[in-house]
Amino acid sequence: GENVEQHPSTLSVQEGDSAVIKCTYSDSASNYFPWYKQELGKRPQLIIDIRSNVGEKKDQRIAVTLNKTAKHFSLHITETQPEDSAVYFCAGLQGAQKLVFGQGTRLTINP
Amino acid sequence: EADIYQTPRYLVIGTGKKITLECSQTMGHDKMYWYQQDPGMELHLIHYSYGVNSTEKGDLSSESTVSRIRTEHFPLTLESARPSHTSQYLCASRDNGPQHFGDGTRLSIL
Repeated sequence: GENVEQHPSTLSVQEGDSAVIKCTYSDSASNYFPWYKQELGKRPQLIIDIRSNVGEKKDQRIAVTLNKTAKHFSLHITETQPEDSAVYFCAGLQGAQKLVFGQGTRLTINP
Repeated sequence: EADIYQTPRYLVIGTGKKITLECSQTMGHDKMYWYQQDPGMELHLIHYSYGVNSTEKGDLSSESTVSRIRTEHFPLTLESARPSHTSQYLCASRDNGPQHFGDGTRLSIL
């Protein structure tokens, strides 16, 4: 089955700098990769997703890149702001039925 | 408003009690999921369902059970609560698109 590894587990950046979180997956048949943001005490919220037929997707300060050959995908946040502080989860879709989540990255934006 | 609803939001209860955590979604999604999550930590899949009368155990061993008699409703039951069950329980649903999560139930077993 699918296995998703996420790094780093914690990340601290200065406000205004960029943050990058990386995930690798094992199942070459996986074709959908969402990213979730979970603020303290809140539900995980989808922030961006990408399907395997594209290599990059951007939404304002957030972008996701996918390398199918290497089986890894990354979340890029530019011009970070204090409200970006949260736990971020990547995921890969196993067999069109079940998302497999990474271990999570706790991102802290320092003012 | 189309969403996924969980009740109760918080529950503090004694050891040995039977507990049912409710989850309902109004989006008509076939697939529903239960996760166990300690605050800010990994999401552990404990049960899932692909439709009415379909239920499967997830990756994390759990002493809970689920049922799926109606599309919109996916309750999780603990027959005899123990302190090790103290955690947050998140319900989620999806069709062929993004997965949506409920607000969760924070469960404390004394």
